[in-house]
Amino acid sequence: GEDVEQSLFLSVREGDSSVINCTYTDSSSTYLYWYKQEPGAGLQLLTYIFSNMDMKQDQRLTVLLNKKDKHLSLRIADTQTGDSAIYFCAHGGGYNKLIFGAGTRLAVHP
Amino acid sequence: DSGVTQTPKHLITATGQRVTLRCSPRSGDLSVYWYQQSLDQGLQFLIQYYNGEERAKGNILERFSAQQFPDLHSELNLSSLELGDSALYFCASSDEGIYNEQFFGPGTRLTVL
Repeated sequence: GEDVEQSLFLSVREGDSSVINCTYTDSSSTYLYWYKQEPGAGLQLLTYIFSNMDMKQDQRLTVLLNKKDKHLSLRIADTQTGDSAIYFCAHGGGYNKLIFGAGTRLAVHP
Repeated sequence: DSGVTQTPKHLITATGQRVTLRCSPRSGDLSVYWYQQSLDQGLQFLIQYYNGEERAKGNILERFSAQQFPDLHSELNLSSLELGDSALYFCASSDEGIYNEQFFGPGTRLTVL
């Protein structure tokens, strides 16, 4: 199957770390992605990870991949109000189409 | 700004009608993807074109069709519209590089009344 599952909502305090989790069923993808969607806007690629990697760090973002459990997570350090958005986990399907999760709405409060 | 443009931004129409959504990819990108985002179905892949040819089909209804023109812009045609077709329609383009980053347009919001 191509299912990707994410929790729908996460609320954090400004300055704390946010962790958004994702599980997927199709393990054949070469890359897994995190996209961000701000209100009224299209999706923007935040980061990606090669399926042979366990971890990737990019400034405040840390991606962890557990291939055995088919679990992907995105950690945002020092979360700011500007990080409030919907975050989509995705993996590549056939011919490079993207299979998305339902998205996790991140709310950052003072 | 992703470099992908979509027109119109908003479209309001009635059931049974036909509409055309337009997408211009980033300069040089040969691949165009169409996605539908709705409350009940989430973000779903509809169809992909590569250099004018259809390459992959997803959950696209028979009432929907698309094409990519020689100048690489693409159009998504939706006909016999139903209330359930109300959604955000995104176009994305890619140069199919190593990690295949897809650049998304701002979307067309379709409301069927």
